[in-house]
Amino acid sequence: DAGVIQSPRHEVTEMGQEVTLRCKPISGHNSLFWYRQTMMRGLELLIYFNNNVPIDDSGMPEDRFSAKMPNASFSTLKIQPSEPRDSAVYFCASTKDTSVEQYFGPGTRLTVT
Amino acid sequence: AQRVTQPEKLLSVFKGAPVELKCNYSYSGSPELFWYVQYSRQRLQLLLRHISRESIKGFTADLNKGETSFHLKKPFAQEEDSAMYYCALKAGGSNYKLTFGKGTLLTVNP
Repeated sequence: DAGVIQSPRHEVTEMGQEVTLRCKPISGHNSLFWYRQTMMRGLELLIYFNNNVPIDDSGMPEDRFSAKMPNASFSTLKIQPSEPRDSAVYFCASTKDTSVEQYFGPGTRLTVT
Repeated sequence: AQRVTQPEKLLSVFKGAPVELKCNYSYSGSPELFWYVQYSRQRLQLLLRHISRESIKGFTADLNKGETSFHLKKPFAQEEDSAMYYCALKAGGSNYKLTFGKGTLLTVNP
């Protein structure tokens, strides 16, 4: 298993542009998490899906951020419009209900200029 | 609400020296505590959890409820221990939400 897959690995975009980050969880995992990592705030949970349903989106910063999970093998995190303060590393993680260990993807480094 | 504090952003030790990465938490209930590690160019991964009371790569961590701490210790640091370490808390009754500290970057010098 290749583990959690994220694309792109790096994204540089201009302020105001739409950004879409993608995640493929480990096969058989039914929980998926999106995190944001910054120097100032560390690792923050943005949204959690269970069985493709958003359960907790209280960490989503504002309406510019949205996340979807159309099926068990794919999720997207979209920022529209993007702003320089959105620059961060975005991680996706997955797990099974019965496991406490979360398996992280390699992350997407987003730079908004 | 729960909170995890890692007071040191950076920690530098020499090879063979003891190392302790501090973690304090704030939570009124019964938490589960974890240490995650991210080596250079690798993914964030679970190092150990307090429930298992295990030693992984020579590291141990004991949950001290009186001091609300979960410090990570190793008696003799190795250069390959250089990494970013995150302490994380899962609230009792939650089956998913991890609250992470801001992390400590450990550098073990030769």
